[in-house]
Amino acid sequence: KNEVEQSPQNLTAQEGEFITINCSYSVGISALHWLQQHPGGGIVSLFMLSSGKKKHGRLIATINIQEKHSSLHITASHPRDSAVYICAVASYNTDKLIFGTGTRLQVFP
Amino acid sequence: NAGVTQTPKFQVLKTGQSMTLQCAQDMNHEYMSWYRQDPGMGLRLIHYSVGAGITDQGEVPNGYNVSRSTTEDFPLRLLSAAPSQTSVYFCASSQTGTGAPNSPLHFGNGTRLTVT
Repeated sequence: KNEVEQSPQNLTAQEGEFITINCSYSVGISALHWLQQHPGGGIVSLFMLSSGKKKHGRLIATINIQEKHSSLHITASHPRDSAVYICAVASYNTDKLIFGTGTRLQVFP
Repeated sequence: NAGVTQTPKFQVLKTGQSMTLQCAQDMNHEYMSWYRQDPGMGLRLIHYSVGAGITDQGEVPNGYNVSRSTTEDFPLRLLSAAPSQTSVYFCASSQTGTGAPNSPLHFGNGTRLTVT
């Protein structure tokens, strides 16, 4: 069983829909990262969380440490949100990241 | 600032050849790391460094060497390339580490390596 599991693997949405991507992990962590990989391959950091909730524009990330679960929400989705979203956890007391396999999101106009 | 610069963008090697993937950052970040990305497997940590002169192994270190002689540079060396090393390689850096507060990762644009 993978230490970081993401769901769904693939997601298709119509423009304007509310999107939720889930990440569950089985190890103790110092922090959880949400990353976005563009169709061209570049990777950017969206959020880094150790507790609670963060918001940036139309993106919201939450984490529940007790349940070992995080969600990434996209409100009012847009075709430019089409990308692969990757969850990664920083294993507790190490500097090693463990990655999920990603969620491929396609938003159609 | 240029951020994280990776070179080359593409490389084709024959089995047994050696090469170095370059990674440089100009943000004075202490933490640097190398990952490989393979279809269906997600990103996997190869080696990482928490500061100049300090390196450590990640999940898949075999066949790769690293060194960190300066804060800015973290090259990845393939000593004898194998077809199993065909992959996309990413370098990333952060201010203090992957678990430290407010220390997000900055990624290079990747190197697509093919070993024939």
